[in-house]
Amino acid sequence: DTEVTQTPKHLVMGMTNKKSLKCEQHMGHRAMYWYKQKAKKPPELMFVYSYEKLSINESVPSRFSPECPNSSLLNLHLHALQPEDSALYLCASSQDRRAREKLFFGSGTQLSVL
Amino acid sequence: DAKTTQPPSMDCAEGRAANLPCNHSTISGNEYVYWYRQIHSQGPQYIIHGLKNNETNEMASLIITEDRKSSTLILPHATLRDTAVYYCIVRTNTGANSKLTFGKGITLSVRP
Repeated sequence: DTEVTQTPKHLVMGMTNKKSLKCEQHMGHRAMYWYKQKAKKPPELMFVYSYEKLSINESVPSRFSPECPNSSLLNLHLHALQPEDSALYLCASSQDRRAREKLFFGSGTQLSVL
Repeated sequence: DAKTTQPPSMDCAEGRAANLPCNHSTISGNEYVYWYRQIHSQGPQYIIHGLKNNETNEMASLIITEDRKSSTLILPHATLRDTAVYYCIVRTNTGANSKLTFGKGITLSVRP
């Protein structure tokens, strides 16, 4: 199984809502990542978890709250988002954080904030 | 991490080789060259990576110049399904802050 599974595939939420994005992998990978991608732009790194601990936060606003409950799961909790947060949110995993390890990406969650 | 420069777009005919260039003139000795691609509405997909030597796998070949300041990704027999944005990335192999940072990429259009 070389898949990274993201749910839901699409999400529409209001600015006062609280929602969560979920990411799951069963490859035994110990590093997991959240990226954000606006239309026609490259993916931008948001967070990196290594062995279930947050190791990189790219100065992401606190309305995005990541969580890694175990080595297979990665969540992104969303609260009080703005319309400009509408984007494709991509999850990825790798064996560990060493640069020679390739990243496997999920298909993403397309988020629309109204 | 060193930055990369890629042309914004190119096209090639189906069945022909697609040669995608990338400049990384500030690359350091411990930085790897990676290629990923992103087909529309999908997540990025790993293609290949290398440090100094040329590399080949089932998807593509990676040719790195001797001074390591540029590289070329070769898709030997392009198909319509290879139409995608291709990202050339350089990444350090050490350090707690090693990250995979995407540039603008090159859009490859394969025509019938």
